[in-house]
Amino acid sequence: EVQLVQSGAEVKKPGESLKISCKGSGYTFTSYWIGWVRQMPGKGLEWMGLIYPGDSDTTYSPSFQGLVTISADKSISTAYMQWWSLKASDTAMYYCARRGQDCIAGSCYAAGFDIWGQGTMVTVSS
Amino acid sequence: EIVLTQSPGTLSLSPGERATLSCRASKSVSSSYLAWYQQKPGQAPRLLIYGASSRATGIPDRFSGSGSGTDFTLTISRLEPEDFAVYYCQQYGSSPWTFGQGTKVEIK
Repeated sequence: EVQLVQSGAEVKKPGESLKISCKGSGYTFTSYWIGWVRQMPGKGLEWMGLIYPGDSDTTYSPSFQGLVTISADKSISTAYMQWWSLKASDTAMYYCARRGQDCIAGSCYAAGFDIWGQGTMVTVSS
Repeated sequence: EIVLTQSPGTLSLSPGERATLSCRASKSVSSSYLAWYQQKPGQAPRLLIYGASSRATGIPDRFSGSGSGTDFTLTISRLEPEDFAVYYCQQYGSSPWTFGQGTKVEIK
């Protein structure tokens, strides 16, 4: 079964650091981009960035550039999202998701986020 | 950045009725790289449609997507009880990828 399993809920204080994880299984982890999506309480979805675990090529949304670090360890099929100094406004559910592929006649095209992790709830409060 | 505007914000319908959801982009979406997701309370989003009109694996054929350029539509032909949820569109043709603000389909 293809799946992404995320690390558990976190409760942190402002100024603390945090690294959450997303472990892929059931497919070739290095062949698919992994994205991160934020959902603040009661709000919509926000795309944060992407990483290609095969070579760690990374792209960020301008809204999140410099605020978080996305990384991956392909040896253990795991992607990460890291904060160096959390703020109360970072309180949210964070999802990782696999960028799907649709391959036709030898050419492959992006196909949205086809597999999602269960989400990691991050609460930042003093 | 491409801004996606979904309408209506809330759609109140009865089971068995047809739902039509709109997603309008501020600029043309490259290669029709437009997806639709369904999200129920307490759950992760689920991919319904990609490439504007291709159904994802396991998605019932009552869900269909159409459109190109800047105007896209998700249609649910006959609402089932499990279809009442929030629906998001997303463009993934140009960075940054962006989501619409969502349409809630609620029971009338």
